[in-house]
Amino acid sequence: QAVLTQPSSLSASPGASASLTCSLRSGINVGTYRIYWYQQKPGSPPQYLLNYKSHSDEQQGSGVPSRFSGSKDASANAGILLISGLQSEDEADYYCMTWHSSAWVFGGGTKLTVL
Amino acid sequence: QVQLQQSGPGLVKPSQTLSLTCAISGDSVSSNSATWNWIRQSPSRGLEWLGRTYQRSKWYNDYAVSVRSRITINPDTSKNQFSLQLTSVTPEDTAVYYCAREEITGPNTPIDYWGQGTLVTVSS
Repeated sequence: QAVLTQPSSLSASPGASASLTCSLRSGINVGTYRIYWYQQKPGSPPQYLLNYKSHSDEQQGSGVPSRFSGSKDASANAGILLISGLQSEDEADYYCMTWHSSAWVFGGGTKLTVL
Repeated sequence: QVQLQQSGPGLVKPSQTLSLTCAISGDSVSSNSATWNWIRQSPSRGLEWLGRTYQRSKWYNDYAVSVRSRITINPDTSKNQFSLQLTSVTPEDTAVYYCAREEITGPNTPIDYWGQGTLVTVSS
């Protein structure tokens, strides 16, 4: 079972909010992990958005709009990327990442469609 | 502004060695507040971290278990760059390869700058 699991796709309307989840493997407690989020558009490398460990321990990437925010759902053992006020330019692949067992590991990515 | 410029061949024959270089501007490969990483991306394997090099009191390397027996990442301080060598490649190593910087700022250690990516195809 993968360390980080993301739904393969998500659709949302312009102006709405989208909640992208990143589930940690059973036995790995999301509370102890810092979750990093990236946006990737076709033909480009991933772009760092933010990281979230707790409400008092989070960092926004340089120049990243405040429409992008992080959180956790402890009951689901998952990290969450919330995008509010969706714009067409937010259509992209989104990846979560964390440091686990002395390695960076990535989720499989969620393709966000804004329509 | 940090920039990472990758170079290297886009086609490698099976069983040969894949070699890529990442030239750094706007930072130093010897920085005590960064690590220098190689990451690849393919449709079958997604984003996969391969390893990193960094200097503290001495040079260190960390490698992913999946490639540990085949990978070498070396810094070149004279040219402010670092390199990737992956030996005994197979078609499964076909991917877009990225170099990237991990910035160390306290507990936050984002991989914040990426190279442009190099598509490497393993084929005879």
